[in-house]
Amino acid sequence: DTAVSQTPKYLVTQMGNDKSIKCEQNLGHDTMYWYKQDSKKFLKIMFSYNNKELIINETVPNRFSPKSPDKAHLNLHINSLELGDSAVYFCASSQGQGSHSEQFFGPGTRLTVL
Amino acid sequence: DAKTTQPPSMDCAEGRAANLPCNHSTISGNEYVYWYRQIHSQGPQYIIHGLKNNETNEMASLIITEDRKSSTLILPHATLRDTAVYYCIAPAGNNRKLIWGLGTSLAVNP
Repeated sequence: DTAVSQTPKYLVTQMGNDKSIKCEQNLGHDTMYWYKQDSKKFLKIMFSYNNKELIINETVPNRFSPKSPDKAHLNLHINSLELGDSAVYFCASSQGQGSHSEQFFGPGTRLTVL
Repeated sequence: DAKTTQPPSMDCAEGRAANLPCNHSTISGNEYVYWYRQIHSQGPQYIIHGLKNNETNEMASLIITEDRKSSTLILPHATLRDTAVYYCIAPAGNNRKLIWGLGTSLAVNP
């Protein structure tokens, strides 16, 4: 059984388009995250939700909008895609808010903006 | 905010112990040290975490120095499947988010 799943796995799109990445976890966790891993392999947190409420919002352009319809889902919508948005995006979840809780990661979504 | 320092790369022979060091000299008394690894093209995977005492689980052992300024992750019998980037992380900031560095790229050789 997949614990944290993301769709799609690969996403290739043109500059200026709007796209969404979906994330679902079946672990019963109450906290979910979005991370961005760039070409230099730095993994940076973008957002964190606890029980559908935003608790971490890093310095991310407002073209990125997370949406959590329920505790098990955290989707990422990106407007007006730019070349610099090309990266691998990872969703993660944990029981409790992050720092003292093991995080489970999804397989990642490789976004390529042309 | 705690920051961690790790060597960029290490090699280990298959079947031998892999000892991965991490410096976290600015860690505060109540901050845990976490270890994750990322196998190529996969999401990061939790390994172990600790505060003061040494910890062991089915994947690895974590040795933390008494002054808590450094720690070592030990993979007792490394296999080829342990080839990955290993991240030593400490939470930081008021919201306690995990700050990820570039980690140590461990190559386990046959």
